[in-house]
Amino acid sequence: ETGVTQSPTHLIKTRGQQVTLRCSSQSGHNTVSWYQQALGQGPQFIFQYYREEENGRGNFPPRFSGLQFPNYSSELNVNALELDDSALYLCASSSGTVSGANVLTFGAGSRLTVL
Amino acid sequence: QKEVEQNSGPLSVPEGAIASLNCTYSDRGSQSFFWYRQYSGKSPELIMSIYSNGDKEDGRFTAQLNKASQYVSLLIRDSQPSDSATYLCAVSGSGTYKYIFGTGTRLKVLA
Repeated sequence: ETGVTQSPTHLIKTRGQQVTLRCSSQSGHNTVSWYQQALGQGPQFIFQYYREEENGRGNFPPRFSGLQFPNYSSELNVNALELDDSALYLCASSSGTVSGANVLTFGAGSRLTVL
Repeated sequence: QKEVEQNSGPLSVPEGAIASLNCTYSDRGSQSFFWYRQYSGKSPELIMSIYSNGDKEDGRFTAQLNKASQYVSLLIRDSQPSDSATYLCAVSGSGTYKYIFGTGTRLKVLA
């Protein structure tokens, strides 16, 4: 059984650029959630995808967008990067349904630095 | 008021002692409660989940939940230096899709 894998592990961008982060969910998991963790803070919920549709969104602007593919992998896209977007971006998969909250398994994260 | 509150620490305990980590939450409708451990620069890993009032034990770890007081705690017995990490409390409501995390408590176990 493979775990949650994320890529890239580290990346540096400049303000105004766009970034795409990728995530492969754990085998058997059909739900993917994305979290942003700033330094010294707990993870903040960005959004969740279930069956290729967004299934809830946190307090993040529309320049944060995502996709889920038929194989349950997912992408997080961030446009018009700002300095405050510098953070660890965590992907988590679960075997939940639309209405259920299940245990999240996190990937190793993608650390984004915006200069 | 923050939705999930934790003392940021650091909490320092000697090796072999019991470490007690606490968390309060504001949403009375919360149904699922989790403790994650996060080493510096790494991603969170699940330690315990608890869904009903009372205690749940798993090895050296015991989670305690009191929904009336909106309080969840984690006890670590026989603390080891390898337990030194940040412990994140996460809460989820019934039929919801998101976890709300606290800011975490940094634990230091002194050898």
